[in-house]
Amino acid sequence: KQEVTQIPAALSVPEGENLVLNCSFTDSAIYNLQWFRQDPGKGLTSLLLIQSSQREQTSGRLNASLDKSSGRSTLYIAASQPGDSATYLCAALLTSGSARQLTFGSGTQLTVLP
Amino acid sequence: EAQVTQNPRYLITVTGKKLTVTCSQNMNHEYMSWYRQDPGLGLRQIYYSMNVEVTDKGDVPEGYKVSRKEKRNFPLILESPSPNQTSLYFCASSLDATYEQYFGPGTRLTVT
Repeated sequence: KQEVTQIPAALSVPEGENLVLNCSFTDSAIYNLQWFRQDPGKGLTSLLLIQSSQREQTSGRLNASLDKSSGRSTLYIAASQPGDSATYLCAALLTSGSARQLTFGSGTQLTVLP
Repeated sequence: EAQVTQNPRYLITVTGKKLTVTCSQNMNHEYMSWYRQDPGLGLRQIYYSMNVEVTDKGDVPEGYKVSRKEKRNFPLILESPSPNQTSLYFCASSLDATYEQYFGPGTRLTVT
């Protein structure tokens, strides 16, 4: 069974700092990996999706990388801002025949201090 | 506006009283799914649907039922809710399971 781990559970940084959030998964046969953002009391917003054949994806100040062989993905946030404060979750998709299983990590709660 | 809607957003009920949480999407997505989010356990998939009349169990299906009679709707049914089903529930949809997932705003359920 796929297990997805995110460390640390919480992170606090000063504004302007570059930071890296980590995600690891146990089954490397993933189809893709997604990063989401969750604001308090709200649903999840998709940030980046990396296919298993890709090494990285970029969107603005965000860059996500994927290393299937080591079972790791990272989300890099450049020049952090207080508005980046949120919980960031990663999710790995496994496919087997017609089955589709999306497994989430528990998230990293990020606080960017002004 | 492309969106996933859930109703109700908040619900307090008693043990054993059947309830339905509705989920609807306006993006003509084929794939829809339900998750529950609990502190320390993260999001766990309850059920998913690849298309109309096609549903399958996720990681934690016990105590839940779903149906997919129309492409846009994917209701979650709790036939006999119990306190351990107190949780935050999310519905999501995508073109296909391998595409970007769009999430609803969540339904906070309390079972007393």
